[in-house]
Amino acid sequence: EPEVTQTPSHQVTQMGQEVILRCVPISNHLYFYWYRQILGQKVEFLVSFYNNEISEKSEIFDDRFSVERPDGSNFTLKIRSTKLEDSAMYFCASSEALAGRASEQYFGPGTRLTVT
Amino acid sequence: GDSVTQMEGPVTLSEEAFLTINCTYTATGYPSLFWYVQYPGEGLQLLLKATKADDKGSNKGFEATYRKETTSFHLEKGSVQVSDSAVYFCALPRSGYSTLTFGKGTMLLVSP
Repeated sequence: EPEVTQTPSHQVTQMGQEVILRCVPISNHLYFYWYRQILGQKVEFLVSFYNNEISEKSEIFDDRFSVERPDGSNFTLKIRSTKLEDSAMYFCASSEALAGRASEQYFGPGTRLTVT
Repeated sequence: GDSVTQMEGPVTLSEEAFLTINCTYTATGYPSLFWYVQYPGEGLQLLLKATKADDKGSNKGFEATYRKETTSFHLEKGSVQVSDSAVYFCALPRSGYSTLTFGKGTMLLVSP
């Protein structure tokens, strides 16, 4: 069964450094998402991506964050000048169609980011 | 805005016990409703969904009925197994957007 994969599973970085979280969505999906979950809190939407551009983003997704689809398979989240409060589990997801049309979003296992 | 409220966990049960995890929502209109499950070390997986009022979603022995009168979508299972131990998330699409709003998640621990 096709699945979304994410690397690395755990990333530790020092405050102020840049990190890149990588995701490989399911190959025939057209919509890509990043969510995050701070320990003990809700899963929060960060950004959605369609047709090689951002279609929506939340207030969390400030100018330190960026996403890219550098080739036909990878989807990356870059965080510049990391802060302690960026520490969270980051989930990538993909779907064939929009969630509002009850399309299932397939999630990866997550990358745990720890900023020290 | 749209939101989802789930009961606090962890929920600790013995095998074969009855499970209920409460979920209520606030939304514009009547969106689709979802339950996702996260097994240890894995990503979120769609467990079941309901697309309109009074629909019942079911999968793997779990059920949830979309109740617009009480704005609820409670998850139930008649007899839980150790393998059901996981975190369960209630979710709905954000009005006018393509993304999901999640509850905080409820951890279920089932002992033999």
